[in-house]
Order: sequence, then C-alpha cells, then structure tokens
Amino acid sequence: DAGVTQSPTHLIKTRGQQVTLRCSPKSGHDTVSWYQQALGQGPQFIFQYYEEEERQRGNFPDRFSGHQFPNYSSELNVNALLLGDSALYLCASSLVYSGHLTDTQYFGPGTRLTVL
Amino acid sequence: DQQVKQNSPSLSVQEGRISILNCDYTNSMFDYFLWYKKYPAEGPTFLISISSIKDKNEDGRFTVFLNKSAKHLSLHIVPSQPGDSAVYFCAATSPQGGKLIFGQGTELSVKP
Repeated sequence: DAGVTQSPTHLIKTRGQQVTLRCSPKSGHDTVSWYQQALGQGPQFIFQYYEEEERQRGNFPDRFSGHQFPNYSSELNVNALLLGDSALYLCASSLVYSGHLTDTQYFGPGTRLTVL
Repeated sequence: DQQVKQNSPSLSVQEGRISILNCDYTNSMFDYFLWYKKYPAEGPTFLISISSIKDKNEDGRFTVFLNKSAKHLSLHIVPSQPGDSAVYFCAATSPQGGKLIFGQGTELSVKP
C-alpha cells in the first residue's frame, strides 16, 4: 500500500524565483492538504484540495497556489520566493467518506525548500 | 494566536518509565485531536487520536487523555523505549474538518 509521496526531496532556489512541489496521495485517498513547517515550529496549514478545487485556505498570501489533478495528485506553486519561504513543505492526504471528511491525515516525507 | 500549545519544548525520560506529553488548546469548537510523531528528515507519522465525545483512547503503549473542561490533552507512553525518541506534535480540528492546527512540538528523548 503506497503511502504519500512527494517530490523533489530537496530544492534550492533564489529570491524572486518560482517553485513547484508535487504530491501523490496515499492509495484510496482523494483529498490533499499542504502544510509549511518552519524550523522549530509545528506545521502550518496552507490549503486543501478536494475534487480538484481549493476547499479551505490558511493564512498564506496569493503567492501560494495549488492544483489537484483528476488522479488526486497535487501541486503546490510558490511565486516570487522570499527568504522566509525556506521551510519543509508537507503534503497530507485523507479521505472524504459519505460526504464527510475524515480527520486523520497521513503525511508524506516533505520537500525541504531553501531560498537563498 | 496560538490555538494549540505545547508548553514543554523538550522532555527526557529513562527507558521503561512513563513519558507524559501535554497539550493545551483554546478553541472550544475543536472536536477531534491527534498526536503525530516526527523523526528528523521524515514527515509526521500518525500515532493516535481522540474524539471529543471520549475522555480516553488507548492503543498499545500509547494512551491519550482528554479533559474538555480544562481544554487539555495528554499522551502517555508506557513503557518508554529509546525508539520513541522523536518530536511529538498534538493537533486539533473542528467539526468543519479540513485543516489541522498543530502545536509547536515536544522533543522526547528516551535514555537507555
């Protein structure tokens, strides 16, 4: 049973550049959430995708955008990178069951983004 | 505004003894709580959860207690093992579902 996978593992970018991170959910899951984890902090919710639409969004600027594909995989895009965007980006998947979102989310290993 | 707080950044315990990790929350709308364990260079791994209709949930060596009146939950690990050494995060979610609100984490070190 494949778990949540993310690519790439590490990424180094410079200020002002754009980056795309990718996520494949756990087998059987249809909902993908993205989180940003800064050093020494807990993960912060960015947004969640279900049925190819953004369903919820956290307190992140419009520079952060996403997409979900018909196969439930997802991308996170960040434009105009700032030094403060350096963090571990985590993808989590879960399941909508009988119209309700189950609460347990399963995380991938993350993508470590460094902005220089 | 930190809605979920883990006030102890670190905890050191002897192997075989009990580890108690604590978490406080401020939002009374939270109805589901989870604990995750995280090793370096890995994503958080789901450990155990509890619904607000319960006050205790047990899974092997792990037990989570919820005190709704105090807006407090705790994770007990008995007996603690060196492999339990990791950062532990508590998280909460509301009936709307969706986003998890995480605490800052507690780093547990279990010494042989």
